Amino acid sequence: QSALTQPASVSGSPGQSITISCTGTSSDVGSYNLVSWYQQHPGKAPKLMIYEVSKRPSGVSNRFSGSKSGNTASLTISGLQAEDEADYYCCSYAGSSTSPWVFGGGTKLTVL
Amino acid sequence: QVQLVQSGAEVKKPGASVKVSCKASGYTFTSYDINWVRQATGQGLEWMGWMNPNSGNTGYAQKFQGRVTMTRNTSISTAYMELSSLRSEDTAVYYCARGSVVVPAKDWGQGTLVTVSS
Repeated sequence: QSALTQPASVSGSPGQSITISCTGTSSDVGSYNLVSWYQQHPGKAPKLMIYEVSKRPSGVSNRFSGSKSGNTASLTISGLQAEDEADYYCCSYAGSSTSPWVFGGGTKLTVL
Repeated sequence: QVQLVQSGAEVKKPGASVKVSCKASGYTFTSYDINWVRQATGQGLEWMGWMNPNSGNTGYAQKFQGRVTMTRNTSISTAYMELSSLRSEDTAVYYCARGSVVVPAKDWGQGTLVTVSS
C-alpha cells in the first residue's frame, strides 16, 4: 500500500478557483468511490471536507467540491478565500478489510 | 455534539510503550469505527489502524503490525492505542477519529503528542 500522490503545493488568488489532484492506482482510487478530503490548519486537527468522492458533510461550504476520473481524484475550491489557506489531504479505500485506508502526502494551499 | 477527547502528551524513552486513550461522547460508541492516524512534525497524515468498538475487531497498517494494539472499554466509551518498542521516529501527534465503512474520519480527537527521546 503506497501513499497517494498529491502535489506538494498549489496557490491561487482570492476569488479564483484551484484544483488539487490525488493520484492512486486501480487498486484504490480507481476501484472505489471512497475518496475523502481533509483540511488541516496549522496546529489543528484535520477536518473532513468531502467524502465518497463528492459528498459534502453538513456545514462545509459548497465552494468545496470533489470529483474522480480513473485513478485520479480531485478537490476543487472555488471563490478562494484567505481562510482556505491550509494543508489538504486525500484518502482512499485500498481494498483490504484489515488495512483499508491510505492517505495522500498532502498539499499546501497558499492564498496569495 | 460528537466529541473525541484524547489523553495528554507523553514523553517516553526508546524501547518503551505508550498507551493513548480516546473518550467518545455525543453518539453511540459501538456504532462507528475508531481509526488512529499519526502525524510527525511537519509531515503528512499516516493511517495506523482501525477498530470496531462493537466487535473488537481490528486491522493494522503493515508498517505497525506487531507493535500496535487497539482496544476499547465500551462501558466508558473509550478506545485505546498502544504502541510498543518506541523509537525516535515514532515522535508524532496521534489522532483518534470516528469513522465508518465509507469514510475513515468524520470526526477527530484533538491529538496527543508522543515524544520519544532518551
